[in-house]
Amino acid sequence: QSALTQPPSASGSPGQSVTISCTGTSSDVGGYEYVSWYQQYPGRAPKLIIYEVNKRPSGVPDRFSGSKSGNTASLTVSGLQAEDEAAYYCSSFAGRTNMMFGGGTKVTVL
Amino acid sequence: QVQLVQPGSDLKKPGASVTVSCKASGYIFTAYAMNWVRQAPGQGPEWMGWININTGKAYYAQAFTGRFVFSLDTSVSTAYLQISGLKSEDTAVYYCATDLTVAGRKAFDIWGQGTMVTVSS
Repeated sequence: QSALTQPPSASGSPGQSVTISCTGTSSDVGGYEYVSWYQQYPGRAPKLIIYEVNKRPSGVPDRFSGSKSGNTASLTVSGLQAEDEAAYYCSSFAGRTNMMFGGGTKVTVL
Repeated sequence: QVQLVQPGSDLKKPGASVTVSCKASGYIFTAYAMNWVRQAPGQGPEWMGWININTGKAYYAQAFTGRFVFSLDTSVSTAYLQISGLKSEDTAVYYCATDLTVAGRKAFDIWGQGTMVTVSS
């Protein structure tokens, strides 16, 4: 199984919005409502920020939102802040007991 | 508080074996499955598989069959990842992760801090 496809980089100025895509297939992203997004700072473990396509765990700001259309999921970060500069990874259930991650998108706040 | 504690790093020679531990605290260890995730330097995470804490049955992603073994010691709330026949391409950070508040939702909200395994002669 290949990793889910994400753009390697994205950027925006403070206060702007940035949207990151995550493309899979009908066997993973398109087949289930189990897409998650993680934020990761260098040297730190990933942190869950979105699960089940568009749900936020407690404590995650509502500036982070998720959506899905067909085989592509998206993460939008609104009102960009300096602390949003990090790597973002999508993940999807891929049937049976399998999970997949994306290759990651580095978000830069200009 | 809820946490998964892993050792920081380990250095091994090619062909050797390594065991990475993941000690859970702050929650009922047997109530949630434990997953393992590998992240090579500069790469995205790779899901390795998971172990059912109650039965001890392990499920491995296709790329992690053969040299990788998940195990448990429930008496000390600890999960283990053993890798045998180490290769240079096994150099990576290995994380344990579970789904405490998002159980059954195919996401991981609790992560260990990761163990950097370096394979070098």
